Amino acid sequence: AQKITQTQPGMFVQEKEAVTLDCTYDTSDQSYGLFWYKQPSSGEMIFLIYQGSYDEQNATEGRYSLNFQKARKSANLVISASQLGDSAMYFCAMREGGAQKLVFGQGTRLTINP
Amino acid sequence: EAQVTQNPRYLITVTGKKLTVTCSQNMNHEYMSWYRQDPGLGLRQIYYSMNVEVTDKGDVPEGYKVSRKEKRNFPLILESPSPNQTSLYFCASSSGVSSYNEQFFGPGTRLTVL
Repeated sequence: AQKITQTQPGMFVQEKEAVTLDCTYDTSDQSYGLFWYKQPSSGEMIFLIYQGSYDEQNATEGRYSLNFQKARKSANLVISASQLGDSAMYFCAMREGGAQKLVFGQGTRLTINP
Repeated sequence: EAQVTQNPRYLITVTGKKLTVTCSQNMNHEYMSWYRQDPGLGLRQIYYSMNVEVTDKGDVPEGYKVSRKEKRNFPLILESPSPNQTSLYFCASSSGVSSYNEQFFGPGTRLTVL
C-alpha cells in the first residue's frame, strides 16, 4: 500500500537559511510521481514541485529543489535562501501510475524567523 | 484563468441539516476528487469521479454522497452532517490518472458542524 511519512511536525529556521523538509515513501509500483504542496495560513494548496520515478535528474523550480533518492525511497524538499513568506504547512504526496488519488503525508509546519 | 472553484468557502451548520458543497472546474478535466484535511492526518480522499456518471468511494466515504451529472461539476453532499465531519474540504481535478498528472485544488471549504 502507498504510504508517505513526514517525520518533522514542525521546523523553525532563520531567514535566508536553507531548509530541508523530509519525506519518505513506500510503494511497490515502479511508476509513481512525488509532489510537494505548500499550504499557507489562508488554507489553499499550492503546487510546488514534481518528481517522476523515472526522472534521472532531481527536479528544481526556482528556490525549490527535490532531493530524490530512489533507493532510499526519500524525496526531500530543499528550499534555498528561505523567506518570511515561506512560513506555511508543507505536504509531500505520491501518486502511483493509474491510481485514483494522491496519498499525502501528515505535513510539516515550517516557521521562518526574521 | 484555469481554476477549481468551491462554494461556500466557510460554513457553520448544525447536526442533521443537509448541505451541499459545490465544486466546478473550467479545464475540461475528466477526473475529479474530494478530500478532507484533518490535523495530523494530512488529506484523505472521500470520493472520486473518472467521468460523467462515474463515481467511486475513496478512503473515507462514510456520511458523504457525490454526483457527476456534468463534466465540470462535482458536488459533495452531506445528508445528515455530524460533528466528526467538521473539517477542511478540498475539491481537486486532473486531466488523467497517470503518475505525472498534477491535481489542481480548489481553495477549500472550512466546515463546522455543531
